[in-house]
Amino acid sequence: EAQVTQNPRYLITVTGKKLTVTCSQNMNHEYMSWYRQDPGLGLRQIYYSMNVEVTDKGDVPEGYKVSRKEKRNFPLILESPSPNQTSLYFCASTSMGFGTMNTGELFFGEGSRLTVL
Amino acid sequence: QKEVEQDPGPLSVPEGAIVSLNCTYSNSAFQYFMWYRQYSRKGPELLMYTYSSGNKEDGRFTAQVDKSSKYISLFIRDSQPSDSATYLCAMTQGAQKLVFGQGTRLTINP
Repeated sequence: EAQVTQNPRYLITVTGKKLTVTCSQNMNHEYMSWYRQDPGLGLRQIYYSMNVEVTDKGDVPEGYKVSRKEKRNFPLILESPSPNQTSLYFCASTSMGFGTMNTGELFFGEGSRLTVL
Repeated sequence: QKEVEQDPGPLSVPEGAIVSLNCTYSNSAFQYFMWYRQYSRKGPELLMYTYSSGNKEDGRFTAQVDKSSKYISLFIRDSQPSDSATYLCAMTQGAQKLVFGQGTRLTINP
């Protein structure tokens, strides 16, 4: 089954304790992205990757790191989490960058709800 | 000012009603326009996309784009309780970005 898998789905942690949210897709997609979803603010892009070893900042990258060493995996790293990073996080992927051949269909994971105390 | 503005609702209507959801945007560079549907505790899923100004119909759903007014709409006819979800408009910006609206939470009451 084609899917984007995120782990953990739920996590409660404390300020400053490093954590990693994993994301894996089995569709051989080139493009992957992380979003956070907050009430009243919608989905905001954190980082994206056009291909292996190619990553770039989205709109809200502060406090986050990513890496893309393999095509299927795109982990999100919070080096020193703070309470303002409490949010619902989504990983998404699509076959290629947006344009004529890809008009915007992103495939999303089920989400990871993170609480930082 | 956000690049994409969407009324967050919540919006509650009776079953069978026509629903109108709307987004405005400020960036003329946006190219493709989409509507995603997100059920509770799930990730968003693509519902429809459009490119040019005009209407696109898919069953009970109609997507409308007015590039001159920078305004897009989604109409749902004969709404069903199963349509209850959050609806997000989204727009592509170049090859790299998909920009989302805030999402409108819709409830269809039986």
